[in-house]
Amino acid sequence: AQSVTQLGSHVSVSEGALVLLRCNYSSSVPPYLFWYVQYPNQGLQLLLKYTTGATLVKGINGFEAEFKKSETSFHLTKPSAHMSDAAEYFCAVSDVEAGRRALTFGSGTRLQVQP
Amino acid sequence: GAGVSQSPSNKVTEKGKDVELRCDPISGHTALYWYRQRLGQGLEFLIYFQGNSAPDKSGLPSDRFSAERTGESVSTLTIQRTQQEDSAVYLCASSLTGALEQYFGPGTRLTVT
Repeated sequence: AQSVTQLGSHVSVSEGALVLLRCNYSSSVPPYLFWYVQYPNQGLQLLLKYTTGATLVKGINGFEAEFKKSETSFHLTKPSAHMSDAAEYFCAVSDVEAGRRALTFGSGTRLQVQP
Repeated sequence: GAGVSQSPSNKVTEKGKDVELRCDPISGHTALYWYRQRLGQGLEFLIYFQGNSAPDKSGLPSDRFSAERTGESVSTLTIQRTQQEDSAVYLCASSLTGALEQYFGPGTRLTVT
């Protein structure tokens, strides 16, 4: 069975500082990996995804993530945090090759951005 | 265009009552998913519909939970004899056939008192 671990339920950074949100996964087959963001009282919005090919994936709002197979990681980064980045972030994996399209989510990381 | 919509946005019910939650997917999206998000936790998969295929019900936590979908349109999630542990936000998502991206609705916050 696949699983996703997000290290740190809360992360606080200063505005302009580097954002690093950690995600590790386990999967029996090459995974498809996703990062979603959830703003208060809103649904989840896709930030970026990795399927195949280039391991560094760029998403919306200046975020990017790197797939590292050897480390089974898919950490999310942004060089400079903005106040509007404050939200909850979820890492997810899809086991499509095993016939499972539903996403398995991590427990989420709440990002706070301090002025 | 219109996104995934869900109703009601909030539902408070007494323990033991039945509730129905509704999801309207994006037009043309053949796949529809239901997830549950308990406070402070990630999303748990409940059920998946793809076109006219038999749904994947592997995530339903008990036989009190059921869901229906008419064709490629609206879906309803029904919880019978609600319990306090059913309190959560129920999220619906839809996607195009074969697509990986799922588009989420705003959710229904269910509170069982």
